Amino acid sequence: GQNIDQPTEMTATEGAIVQINCTYQTSGFNGLFWYQQHAGEAPTFLSYNVLDGLEEKGRFSSFLSRSKGYSYLLLKELQMKDSASYLCAVRGKGGGFKTIFGAGTRLFVKA
Amino acid sequence: DVKVTQSSRYLVKRTGEKVFLECVQDMDHENMFWYRQDPGLGLRLIYFSYDVKMKEKGDIPEGYSVSREKKERFSLILESASTNQTSMYLCASIKGTAETQYFGPGTRLLVL
Repeated sequence: GQNIDQPTEMTATEGAIVQINCTYQTSGFNGLFWYQQHAGEAPTFLSYNVLDGLEEKGRFSSFLSRSKGYSYLLLKELQMKDSASYLCAVRGKGGGFKTIFGAGTRLFVKA
Repeated sequence: DVKVTQSSRYLVKRTGEKVFLECVQDMDHENMFWYRQDPGLGLRLIYFSYDVKMKEKGDIPEGYSVSREKKERFSLILESASTNQTSMYLCASIKGTAETQYFGPGTRLLVL
């Protein structure tokens, strides 16, 4: 079957670094996405990995290992506004760009 | 800037009613999607469409149908609303070669 696992909740301190892990088992792989979703709002795109390695974008970095079915999202210099849910999603092969989403990790940033 | 809009942010309907959720995107995207999002379950794909008048079932199509008569508009229809269809409904679109889906603001539907 297809499955994406990520922790349900995490708590971190303002200014710190936090790593959110994601493991996946999917039929076919055509890219892994991370989205940020604030409560009551739509998900917004953070990062996209299709090759192994680290992609850095400002305070956010995302890592992918296809052989291990593993990714992580790294958030540096945490700010209170980073309190949100973070969704890991995997796109399978084939037409329609069908994407499987994890349940999301709710991150709480405390002062 | 890509814009995906949904007809309502909040909707309250009664059991058995026929419900229409509308989604419009203004960037000429071929692919459009309807998801529902429930606590602890993440986004689950209901239906998607890769062209006008084309539709494919997602993971949870039961109780839903869709319509794509124009490229920019993708409608989700609940033929006879039930309480277990109370949820947040998210529409998304993507161009054929783009990397990410763009989401609408969501419709929070309550079925009483």
